[in-house]
Amino acid sequence: DAGVIQSPRHEVTEMGQEVTLRCKPISGHNSLFWYRQTMMRGLELLIYFNNNVPIDDSGMPEDRFSAKMPNASFSTLKIQPSEPRDSAVYFCASSLRKDYGYTFGSGTRLTVV
Amino acid sequence: EDQVTQSPEALRLQEGESSSLNCSYTVSGLRGLFWYRQDPGKGPEFLFTLYSAGEEKEKERLKATLTKKESFLHITAPKPEDSATYLCAVRNSGNTPLVFGKGTRLSVIA
Repeated sequence: DAGVIQSPRHEVTEMGQEVTLRCKPISGHNSLFWYRQTMMRGLELLIYFNNNVPIDDSGMPEDRFSAKMPNASFSTLKIQPSEPRDSAVYFCASSLRKDYGYTFGSGTRLTVV
Repeated sequence: EDQVTQSPEALRLQEGESSSLNCSYTVSGLRGLFWYRQDPGKGPEFLFTLYSAGEEKEKERLKATLTKKESFLHITAPKPEDSATYLCAVRNSGNTPLVFGKGTRLSVIA
């Protein structure tokens, strides 16, 4: 299996632009998680899905952030408009069930200038 | 609110110099304590899950132990390839997603 696939690996954008991060979970995994990692705050959960349904988005910082999972093999995290404080590494992870261990992707390093 | 605190933030060891990393936690009903390894530019990679106090798990030079308040990751005779950030995470009785600590950045010098 190719593991969890995220794209792009790196994204540099200007403040105010829309950014879309993409994730393909492991086939057969029913839970998908979006985390953000910074030096100051570590890994923070943004949102998670079970069977393509968003369960808890309380970690999404503001209305500028949105996430979708239109099918079992694809999810997006969108930031519109982006701000410099959104600069971080964004990880997607998937799990066979929400109470199992997670497999993480390689992350997307976002820089907003 | 579940909390995970890892110490030290950074640790520098000579090759062969054994040591331990600490993970202290407060959680409403522990349903699992997880250790992950993260290399630069990569996502966290699963190492161990511990479920109850007194449990131990081993993998090569690493051994994880668990008490009711903390977990230790013991590294015996480390090698430079053990250099990475080690993350600890907990899951509570409500089965909510993992809550992570900020990690310990380990450097092993040859």
